[in-house]
Amino acid sequence: NAGVTQTPKFRVLKTGQSMTLLCAQDMNHEYMYWYRQDPGMGLRLIHYSVGEGTTAKGEVPDGYNVSRLKKQNFLLGLESAAPSQTSVYFCASSWGLYNEQFFGPGTRLTVL
Amino acid sequence: AQKVTQAQTEISVVEKEDVTLDCVYETRDTTYYLFWYKQPPSGELVFLIRRNSFDEQNEISGRYSWNFQKSTSSFNFTITASQVVDSAVYFCALSEGDILTGGGNKLTFGTGTQLKVEL
Repeated sequence: NAGVTQTPKFRVLKTGQSMTLLCAQDMNHEYMYWYRQDPGMGLRLIHYSVGEGTTAKGEVPDGYNVSRLKKQNFLLGLESAAPSQTSVYFCASSWGLYNEQFFGPGTRLTVL
Repeated sequence: AQKVTQAQTEISVVEKEDVTLDCVYETRDTTYYLFWYKQPPSGELVFLIRRNSFDEQNEISGRYSWNFQKSTSSFNFTITASQVVDSAVYFCALSEGDILTGGGNKLTFGTGTQLKVEL
């Protein structure tokens, strides 16, 4: 089992460009999450999903959109990238409400 | 709103020393879970432990132990006889879910404690 995978691992964007980060999990988890990690701020929840076809806002959702068309995939989109979105992005998944989350390896995004 | 405080930004110890990482949390829920994750220099996040709000028993796993005290809203993590491989950033996290609306497992992370273990 691959667990949680993220594509791409690294990306550099120019301000105003768009991109989509892909997260895939093969554990049949219902819940999936997108976090961003910035120095000195821990991880902050961007959006999450409690099942196929559902999404919800987390702590810092502005500037991002998500979709969960298939249970195993959770996409994070940046429509018009800004330098403030330079960060490391982590995807995670879990079985249920209070179970531990399994994290992907992260995507390092730089917006110039 | 829930909050997790890890007041220790960075700790340096010499190998074989014991070290305790502090975690203080705030929540208004009676049902919640606390977690510790490890982030080694390679960057991935590794799950260490989960503890629910109704279980205050301390837990030991090898050189790791956790002390959960609801009275002080703390969930501290102790590494006994530290090793260089323990060098990492350690995150404490709090999960409270909205069962009625199925809000999901929303983790609130502390800012992390960088542990450096030197020879």
